[in-house]
Amino acid sequence: DTAVSQTPKYLVTQMGNDKSIKCEQNLGHDTMYWYKQDSKKFLKIMFSYNNKELIINETVPNRFSPKSPDKAHLNLHINSLELGDSAVYFCASSSGTGTGLVKNIQYFGAGTRLSVL
Amino acid sequence: DQQVKQNSPSLSVQEGRISILNCDYTNSMFDYFLWYKKYPAEGPTFLISISSIKDKNEDGRFTVFLNKSAKHLSLHIVPSQPGDSAVYFCAPNNNAGNMLTFGGGTRLMVKP
Repeated sequence: DTAVSQTPKYLVTQMGNDKSIKCEQNLGHDTMYWYKQDSKKFLKIMFSYNNKELIINETVPNRFSPKSPDKAHLNLHINSLELGDSAVYFCASSSGTGTGLVKNIQYFGAGTRLSVL
Repeated sequence: DQQVKQNSPSLSVQEGRISILNCDYTNSMFDYFLWYKKYPAEGPTFLISISSIKDKNEDGRFTVFLNKSAKHLSLHIVPSQPGDSAVYFCAPNNNAGNMLTFGGGTRLMVKP
């Protein structure tokens, strides 16, 4: 029973297309995240949502639009895909913002490898 | 501007020996320092952490040391096992924003 699940695992598409990646967590967490791991293997935060509200947006192009229908889901929609969007995208969740280590440990999905041709 | 640096992209160690993975940071506001382990085709998994008010935390074969004055931390694995072969990420947390900042990772290879 996967705690944080992402679909699809692989996504190959043409430049200019629009695509979505879905993420679901069954941990009862309040906070969810999207990270991008680029070709140099750096993991960088893109967005963070707490109880369906956006709390972090790290200078991500407007073509990327996260959507959180409920606190267990955070989907990532990407418009007009570009070659530079090719990367592995990771979804994560944590119990919530605030003090204390337990709240801040993030649990990651297995990743979605996006290839833009 | 990299706030977190892992200067060794790879490390090779013999089984049974100690593995030492290093991490340097620049932001003095970090509250917790987390280490994540990542296998190929999987997401990072939490391994061990240390609070900024401590200088050592031990969990079984894994020990993390923090030197705040030098803004340096290290992860020690002893004895190293082949199953420890993975990429290790240092990820400090700015508690105010609950944001993890990942280093570039160190690929550890433990040879039997």
